[in-house]
Amino acid sequence: DAGVTQSPTHLIKTRGQQVTLRCSPKSGHDTVSWYQQALGQGPQFIFQYYEEEERQRGNFPDRFSGHQFPNYSSELNVNALLLGDSALYLCASSFSRVGAEQYFGPGTRLTVT
Amino acid sequence: GNSVTQMEGPVTLSEEAFLTINCTYTATGYPSLFWYVQYPGEGLQLLLKATKADDKGSNKGFEATYRKETTSFHLEKGSVQVSDSAVYFCALPGGNNRLAFGKGNQVVVIP
Repeated sequence: DAGVTQSPTHLIKTRGQQVTLRCSPKSGHDTVSWYQQALGQGPQFIFQYYEEEERQRGNFPDRFSGHQFPNYSSELNVNALLLGDSALYLCASSFSRVGAEQYFGPGTRLTVT
Repeated sequence: GNSVTQMEGPVTLSEEAFLTINCTYTATGYPSLFWYVQYPGEGLQLLLKATKADDKGSNKGFEATYRKETTSFHLEKGSVQVSDSAVYFCALPGGNNRLAFGKGNQVVVIP
């Protein structure tokens, strides 16, 4: 059983560009959450998707948007990239019930120059 | 909202030494508590969890006890190995199914 997978592994973009990150959840999971982990910090919650809808959102600007597909995979889009968007972006999948354990992918390292 | 606070700074210790990483929490009610580990270049792995007060979570020689009287969930290991070198995060539900993490503690074990 494959765990949570993310692509690409690494990405380098220029300020002002747009980026799309992808996540495939663990088999059977229907909920995907995205986190941003800046260097030396703990992960910060961006948003969560369930049934193709954004179910909750953290304190991130509208430049951060997402999507969930019928097969439960998900994308994270960031527009108008800033240097401060450089971070490790982690995807986590889980069942939808409250308190369900979250399983994390290896992350995508985004560098904005 | 719910939050956790981890002790400041990296932890450097010799192989077979005793490890303690402090974590205190602020929460409404008694949510589950977690420790996650992040090995170099990898994502987060759940190390252990406790779902109610006085529960002890354990895995791979690590232990943490959910103490409501001190609102703490300190991580301990009796004899660390070089392979335990990683970053350790304390976490709890921040609302619905989101997780709120501490800043993390880098642990470096010297042979």
